[in-house]
Amino acid sequence: AQSVSQHNHHVILSEAASLELGCNYSYGGTVNLFWYVQYPGQHLQLLLKYFSGDPLVKGIKGFEAEFIKSKFSFNLRKPSVQWSDTAEYFCAVRIQAGTALIFGKGTTLSVSS
Amino acid sequence: KAGVTQTPRYLIKTRGQQVTLSCSPISGHRSVSWYQQTPGQGLQFLFEYFSETQRNKGNFPGRFSGRQFSNSRSEMNVSTLELGDSALYLCASSTTGGGTGDIQYFGAGTRLSVL
Repeated sequence: AQSVSQHNHHVILSEAASLELGCNYSYGGTVNLFWYVQYPGQHLQLLLKYFSGDPLVKGIKGFEAEFIKSKFSFNLRKPSVQWSDTAEYFCAVRIQAGTALIFGKGTTLSVSS
Repeated sequence: KAGVTQTPRYLIKTRGQQVTLSCSPISGHRSVSWYQQTPGQGLQFLFEYFSETQRNKGNFPGRFSGRQFSNSRSEMNVSTLELGDSALYLCASSTTGGGTGDIQYFGAGTRLSVL
């Protein structure tokens, strides 16, 4: 069965540190890729998405992600995190049109000021 | 434009009871998907409805069911509740439900506690 792996369960950073959250999926075909964020007490929000074209995609709040097809990866990055980035981050994949999103188990990011 | 609305926000039930959760999608969205979110398991897909038809189904027992109405509003029902059903149930809506370029928008969820 197809799956999405987020290798980091909990990441703790200081403000201004750089962030990279890993996401790998197990499917060899065309995929749609997403990163969602869930701030404490809030609903899931879309951070960024990749459908096709430039593999480096930029999202809201200074986040970006790079799709590397050969590595089946879609890692999330931010050069300098803020305390307000404290949240849970989910990677999701759609492996073909008309199918459900497959989510990773999430990474909790804690940023200390 | 109003977002995805889920009611109620919180529910407390006891084992063996049944529960119905409601989801109103964004206006114009015809697809509604339901997910169960638990700590450490992330989001697990329950089912998706499009134009009143169940189009996709996850790997959950038959106690979990759903339906969609002609106005795209959706309900999910869990019968014979078990302690393990305690979770945050999320609803997401989208325009076409899984087409290329389709984006899911999530509601705030219903937190179900089973005692």
